[in-house]
Amino acid sequence: QQQVKQSPQSLIVQKGGISIINCAYENTAFDYFPWYQQFPGKGPALLIAIRPDVSEKKEGRFTISFNKSAKQFSLHIMDSQPGDSATYFCAASAGGTSYGKLTFGQGTILTVHP
Amino acid sequence: EPEVTQTPSHQVTQMGQEVILRCVPISNHLYFYWYRQILGQKVEFLVSFYNNEISEKSEIFDDQFSVERPDGSNFTLKIRSTKLEDSAMYFCASSSKRDQPQHFGDGTRLSIL
Repeated sequence: QQQVKQSPQSLIVQKGGISIINCAYENTAFDYFPWYQQFPGKGPALLIAIRPDVSEKKEGRFTISFNKSAKQFSLHIMDSQPGDSATYFCAASAGGTSYGKLTFGQGTILTVHP
Repeated sequence: EPEVTQTPSHQVTQMGQEVILRCVPISNHLYFYWYRQILGQKVEFLVSFYNNEISEKSEIFDDQFSVERPDGSNFTLKIRSTKLEDSAMYFCASSSKRDQPQHFGDGTRLSIL
């Protein structure tokens, strides 16, 4: 019940295309859903995050769509660029008594071809 | 921009030896975390630390692991007797509040021989 399932494992997109990565969760106590971007040899860097009181959040070319009833959320990268090539992780954490423990998805390796 | 810094970047240790991984969290942050990432796998939570005590830990964080904030700036993870399966990337993270974004360091690659 603590898992976050992420798909696809890998994604190849042409420059200018839209990259879409999906995540699903079971734990209804999750109330914070960040996406992290990780380049080789670096730690995860926060990209964008959403809470369940909104269904969509947009920051520049990055958009999170959130479907509370389906317990799914997704990351859309518009106008994908070669510099976006990285591993993307969705994550979730629960409020209440949690001290911020993040549960991560398996990761998606995104390759954007020029 | 403030950063979480981790040292060393790579640690090679013989099985059975003790290892200490060091982290300097962002200076005004109060919540501290360790995560690990086995090669090719997802990032896994190990432990959270607040107000000088462990607030939450995973089943991975057994008696071989301990954490400490020995002074006002460092946060350490100690593995008492390392095993081959401890080989992984270890990430330290910190946040200002428990519901605020966690900022990660670039990790320490731990290789157990």
